[in-house]
Amino acid sequence: GAGVSQSPSNKVTEKGKDVELRCDPISGHTALYWYRQSLGQGLEFLIYFQGNSAPDKSGLPSDRFSAERTGGSVSTLTIQRTQQEDSAVYLCASSFSGSGANVLTFGAGSRLTVL
Amino acid sequence: AQTVTQSQPEMSVQEAETVTLSCTYDTSESDYYLFWYKQPPSRQMILVIRQEAYKQQNATENRFSVNFQKAAKSFSLKISDSQLGDAAMYFCAYRSLKLVFGQGTRLTINP
Repeated sequence: GAGVSQSPSNKVTEKGKDVELRCDPISGHTALYWYRQSLGQGLEFLIYFQGNSAPDKSGLPSDRFSAERTGGSVSTLTIQRTQQEDSAVYLCASSFSGSGANVLTFGAGSRLTVL
Repeated sequence: AQTVTQSQPEMSVQEAETVTLSCTYDTSESDYYLFWYKQPPSRQMILVIRQEAYKQQNATENRFSVNFQKAAKSFSLKISDSQLGDAAMYFCAYRSLKLVFGQGTRLTINP
């Protein structure tokens, strides 16, 4: 696609429910990143994919968070048993490779609200 | 671990004036890249400018330029002839593999 597409754009859920957030990167981009942005804060790194593998998942805050990527394209971030502190905007980005030379292109994010 | 620090949570400037946003970073690596991203209320992260650490020449993109001081690990952004559309959150970021962001500076443009 022309840009990084994320869905849903907004999600409201009840505490304890599971949620899935989807990211569709730019075609041909092998590297994919997930970030979390709490209200008024900077971006917190969650996980990085190169192809279908995740060489760096050091930012996942707990074992309730998981992510997968299939076919070297679409990625899904899953949050199990959501808590109120999970409320944030979840941003996805992609680039041609993991090289620092390549610029990340971001999606518009998925805003998650946990009641 | 690499860290990025933006010491100015908020800045304001008069339209058509010049403003400089500060950024410092900490790393032991010699090969890396530095970026400034802009985030308007739409949430979309927009690349403003990029600097390769191996280049001594400061990057420039139209009204946007950087002052890159590698020894001091400083990477400030200068916006000349500020426009109302420049109002946004500005994030400094460091990248060797993953992109590490600062906490951001909220820039307000006063008409």
